[in-house]
Amino acid sequence: AQKVTQAQTEISVVEKEDVTLDCVYETRDTTYYLFWYKQPPSGELVFLIRRNSFDEQNEISGRYSWNFQKSTSSFNFTITASQVVDSAVYFCALVPGTASKLTFGTGTRLQVTL
Amino acid sequence: SQTIHQWPATLVQPVGSPLSLECTVEGTSNPNLYWYRQAAGRGLQLLFYSVGIGQISSEVPQNLSASRPQDRQFILSSKKLLLSDSGFYLCAWQAERGGYGYTFGSGTRLTVV
Repeated sequence: AQKVTQAQTEISVVEKEDVTLDCVYETRDTTYYLFWYKQPPSGELVFLIRRNSFDEQNEISGRYSWNFQKSTSSFNFTITASQVVDSAVYFCALVPGTASKLTFGTGTRLQVTL
Repeated sequence: SQTIHQWPATLVQPVGSPLSLECTVEGTSNPNLYWYRQAAGRGLQLLFYSVGIGQISSEVPQNLSASRPQDRQFILSSKKLLLSDSGFYLCAWQAERGGYGYTFGSGTRLTVV
């Protein structure tokens, strides 16, 4: 069985601060995929990134970066120079390569204030 | 490109009334389809999923049901709503091959009064 843990329930930062959202996962599969989704106040979940288990390169997209470390089973998400528009709930998820249903973490609520 | 439509966006229903939420997908064939519920300030709870027409798997026993009458249509229903059915309902589709993520609809906010 798979498990995804997002230990941080809520994080509050002041605009322009950097913030890291933690994601730790458990799986026995050697091939799997990891995801991050953003849920802004409007409610719709927006896909941010998909990473397969064989690609441990860190990825950067603008102010967003992701650090995948198989040794610690972590897939952390960093927002650099946070902005108010980053305020949302962020979900980490995992799916084995041969399966379909994603296993979601419980989400981290990020509040960015001025 | 693929799109997913979910409606209505908001719904206020009295206790004991029926429910029908619809989700349709365009631009893909034989998608996996999912219904999730999210209580206020909580995480995502998987309710139902479907890998094909007429194939429904239930994750949580409750007074809700789901149907997939067509390949790209997924319906969530209830005969009699309970107060505890209030929440944010999300439909999602996924490519049928393993390892792919979901694309979510915009959600329906249901309030049972």
